[in-house]
Amino acid sequence: AQSVAQPEDQVNVAEGNPLTVKCTYSVSGNPYLFWYVQYPNRGLQFLLKYITGDNLVKGSYGFEAEFNKSQTSFHLKKPSALVSDSALYFCAVRDTGNTPLVFGKGTRLSVIA
Amino acid sequence: DGGITQSPKYLFRKEGQNVTLSCEQNLNHDAMYWYRQDPGQGLRLIYYSQIVNDFQKGDIAEGYSVSREKKESFPLTVTSAQKNPTAFYLCASSAGIGGTDTQYFGPGTRLTVL
Repeated sequence: AQSVAQPEDQVNVAEGNPLTVKCTYSVSGNPYLFWYVQYPNRGLQFLLKYITGDNLVKGSYGFEAEFNKSQTSFHLKKPSALVSDSALYFCAVRDTGNTPLVFGKGTRLSVIA
Repeated sequence: DGGITQSPKYLFRKEGQNVTLSCEQNLNHDAMYWYRQDPGQGLRLIYYSQIVNDFQKGDIAEGYSVSREKKESFPLTVTSAQKNPTAFYLCASSAGIGGTDTQYFGPGTRLTVL
């Protein structure tokens, strides 16, 4: 069975500082990993995904994520946080089978000016 | 939110009533999904459909029903059998259901039971 864990419910970071939102996963085969962002009372917006190849994936709005197979992690990062990055972030995973994405419980990011 | 529309944005229901949430997509996607979002619980899969006239139960299908008569439409009915229906409901679609296919989400419907 596939699963994903986001160990932090809340992450606080000062504007201009780097940010990291953590995600670990468990799948039986090779993983396909996704990050989404949700602003209040809105749907989820796709940020980036890891399929294969380069372990550092670049996405929208300056975000990137690093795939680490040995640690089964896919942490979301940004070199310099903006107040407008404050939102709820979801990590999701599927294995190579034909299944819907499985989502983590989300991490609320708060960027303080 | 791409080419996925959900209506209404807010919905109020009295206990014992069935309500239907609309989801339409113009992305020509084969697969469609319904998720329920509750605070602190992330997204939970209710139903999904890989193709017209076919759908499968997700993790929390009890008290819900769906239909997929057209490729672009995947309505969700919340029945009176659903014990705690108050939640934020999200519809999504993707080109296919597996592998590298990205799921895209609609803006959501907030259902409140009075």
